Amino acid sequence: DAGVIQSPRHEVTEMGQEVTLRCKPISGHNSLFWYRQTMMRGLELLIYFNNNVPIDDSGMPEDRFSAKMPNASFSTLKIQPSEPRDSAVYFCASSSGPITSSEQYFGPGTRLTVT
Amino acid sequence: GDSVTQMEGPVTLSEEAFLTINCTYTATGYPSLFWYVQYPGEGLQLLLKATKADDKGSNKGFEATYRKETTSFHLEKGSVQVSDSAVYFCALSDAAGGYQKVTFGIGTKLQVIP
Repeated sequence: DAGVIQSPRHEVTEMGQEVTLRCKPISGHNSLFWYRQTMMRGLELLIYFNNNVPIDDSGMPEDRFSAKMPNASFSTLKIQPSEPRDSAVYFCASSSGPITSSEQYFGPGTRLTVT
Repeated sequence: GDSVTQMEGPVTLSEEAFLTINCTYTATGYPSLFWYVQYPGEGLQLLLKATKADDKGSNKGFEATYRKETTSFHLEKGSVQVSDSAVYFCALSDAAGGYQKVTFGIGTKLQVIP
């Protein structure tokens, strides 16, 4: 298996622009997670899907952030409009959960820079 | 709510030194415990896990024992190598409303010097 695939790997955009990050989970996994990693705040869970349904979006910072999972093999995280404070590495992870012993498999991340 | 506390780094060790990274947790249920490792420029990957009290997880010379009485899951390795330089995350996974809820610690950066 190719593992979790994320695109793009790097994104540089100007403040106010829309940004869309993409994720393809491992085939057969039914849980998907979006995380944001910064030096100041560490690793933060943004949203968690199970069977394509958002279960917990309490970590989504504000209305500028939205996430969708239209099918089992694709998810997007959109930021509109983007701001410099959104600069971070965004990770997507999937698991065969929802059992608690399930391991999460992380993608390589998307490094977002908003100028 | 659930929480994970791990020592802040960076931790700098000489090659072949003994490693301990402390991790304690707070959970309302009966969580599974994990150590993940993140190498530069990569995503996190599972290093080891333990799913119940007194279980020992091990991988690549690393070990951690699930201690319910002290709510701890300390990571140890007897002899570190330069290639072990990375950031290590302690995490717990609990059930919340029938779904998996994962909580990560802040991460501890390990630097091993030759």
